[in-house]
Amino acid sequence: DAGVIQSPRHEVTEMGQEVTLRCKPISGHDYLFWYRQTMMRGLELLIYFNNNVPIDDSGMPEDRFSAKMPNASFSTLKIQPSEPRDSAVYFCASSGGVGTEAFFGQGTRLTVV
Amino acid sequence: AQSVTQLDSQVPVFEEAPVELRCNYSSSVSVYLFWYVQYPNQGLQLLLKYLSGSTLVKGINGFEAEFNKSQTSFHLRKPSVHISDTAEYFCAVRAAGSARQLTFGSGTQLTVLP
Repeated sequence: DAGVIQSPRHEVTEMGQEVTLRCKPISGHDYLFWYRQTMMRGLELLIYFNNNVPIDDSGMPEDRFSAKMPNASFSTLKIQPSEPRDSAVYFCASSGGVGTEAFFGQGTRLTVV
Repeated sequence: AQSVTQLDSQVPVFEEAPVELRCNYSSSVSVYLFWYVQYPNQGLQLLLKYLSGSTLVKGINGFEAEFNKSQTSFHLRKPSVHISDTAEYFCAVRAAGSARQLTFGSGTQLTVLP
């Protein structure tokens, strides 16, 4: 398996624009997590899914953020409209269940100017 | 809920010296514990994990960690570090028996000096 695949690796956008980050989890994993990493706040969980269903979205900062998982092999995180304070590295991770670790993608570095 | 404290934000050490990166956790239930490593511009990679059984856990790249329930600690050690070990290290916790999210510490930047 190629691991967790995220795209794009880098994204630079202007304030107010819509941004969509994409993630393909490892095949067979039924948990998917979106994390955000910043210098100030470290690694924060934004939302996670189990069997494509959102379980906990309490980490989503505000209504500008939304996430979907239309099927077991694809998830998106959308920011609309984007703001400079959204600049961060966004990680997607997947895991296979109890006792298994989370496998992380390479991340998407988002810069909002 | 669980929380993790990594006591040292930066640890400089000379090549071939031993190192210990400290991690303490808080939880009202039993936990699973993990150490991850992040190299520059990379994702997080699992070093080792403790689920149950032996409290001394061995991982990749010569690292090991010891689970101490009474002290609620899970410190990471390596007897002799290499330049290539320079990276950020994260301790993480999850409620035992759960597949839910990991809660991460704030990270420790290990810098190995020649």
